Amino acid sequence: DTGVSQDPRHKITKRGQNVTFRCDPISEHNRLYWYRQTLGQGPEFLTYFQNEAQLEKSRLLSDRFSAERPKGSFSTLEIQRTEQGDSAMYLCASQFGGARDTEAFFGQGTRLTVV
Amino acid sequence: KQEVTQIPAALSVPEGENLVLNCSFTDSAIYNLQWFRQDPGKGLTSLLLIQSSQREQTSGRLNASLDKSSGRSTLYIAASQPGDSATYLCAVYSSASKIIFGSGTRLSIRP
Repeated sequence: DTGVSQDPRHKITKRGQNVTFRCDPISEHNRLYWYRQTLGQGPEFLTYFQNEAQLEKSRLLSDRFSAERPKGSFSTLEIQRTEQGDSAMYLCASQFGGARDTEAFFGQGTRLTVV
Repeated sequence: KQEVTQIPAALSVPEGENLVLNCSFTDSAIYNLQWFRQDPGKGLTSLLLIQSSQREQTSGRLNASLDKSSGRSTLYIAASQPGDSATYLCAVYSSASKIIFGSGTRLSIRP
């Protein structure tokens, strides 16, 4: 297992288009997080899953955003009708959950540019 | 609501100096605290993870300390090198099952 994998690494899209990102967590990690990072800021929490259940969503996650983890393995984050303000780095992390003192591992991120 | 603050926002020091980066958090009920490094346009590289029962962790020239009662952590970098130039992020594993990040300290080491 090579760690958390995110695809694509870079995405350029026109305003108004839909985009979908994929995250493959470390095997057997039952908790998966999505974060968004804009220039000069730390990552901001968007949502997280425990297995296939989406347990919490940030208010940052507007109704144009949807995340799924259908079989409790990989996850997708879709943004509909993209806006220029959606341009950011989208980071995924996975963790062996239950016990809260386990380390979370982050992927290399997907950089989205909306033109 | 947990808030994480990093001071200073930017720091520039000459090569060879020892330096300290600061991180403070408002809710002491945390599980872990983790320091990351981020190079421009890149993802996060984990440096050190301190569990709530620990006071410090060391890796090479890096030493991170944790004082839960005062809501503070420090990252000490010894004998700084130009290759240490990056943004350093502090992240707190909060009791609300979320990992909360500070805004980072942008470090520049002058040759």
